[in-house]
Amino acid sequence: AQTVTQSQPEMSVQEAETVTLSCTYDTSESDYYLFWYKQPPSRQMILVIRQEAYKQQNATENRFSVNFQKAAKSFSLKISDSQLGDAAMYFCAYRGGPTSGTYKYIFGTGTRLKVLA
Amino acid sequence: EPEVTQTPSHQVTQMGQEVILRCVPISNHLYFYWYRQILGQKVEFLVSFYNNEISEKSEIFDDQFSVERPDGSNFTLKIRSTKLEDSAMYFCASERSVAKNIQYFGAGTRLSVL
Repeated sequence: AQTVTQSQPEMSVQEAETVTLSCTYDTSESDYYLFWYKQPPSRQMILVIRQEAYKQQNATENRFSVNFQKAAKSFSLKISDSQLGDAAMYFCAYRGGPTSGTYKYIFGTGTRLKVLA
Repeated sequence: EPEVTQTPSHQVTQMGQEVILRCVPISNHLYFYWYRQILGQKVEFLVSFYNNEISEKSEIFDDQFSVERPDGSNFTLKIRSTKLEDSAMYFCASERSVAKNIQYFGAGTRLSVL
């Protein structure tokens, strides 16, 4: 079964600095999708960024980028120029590919990010 | 921007009572999901629903749980006889097409079982 591990329960970053959140996963599939979701205090789950495993290029969305290392099964999130509004719980999630027969997300335990003014 | 709407935001119930959690998915979406998050723990998949039937369910989703799309817009999760351990945040998600691979989540319903 697939698993997702986030080894950092909590991280802190100074405003305007860069922080990297770690995520590793385990799967025997070659095609799959990876996501980072943000959960602010409002508890709404907001998609931050998405990566398709068959794409070698790392996804980027403005200040957010990923370092996707398929062989190492690693999917870290880099937040540049951190802002106070980035403070939230960040969840890494995995989803099987088209041949997996499942569309559910498998989430990690989350990393709480604090942004210091 | 369209969003997934969940009601109520907080539901308090007595152990053994039935509760219905409601969700209005994004209107042109076809795939629907329920997840739950026990306080301080990770988000766990409960069930997925497509074409008016359950397409997948987890071992958590036992006979106490049921889902329904009664009127083409609402998507409900019913817990027949709540237990203390059902206390959690319940998230509804919807998806236009599994080819897009992006689920949109509601803000959740906090269920407190006393």
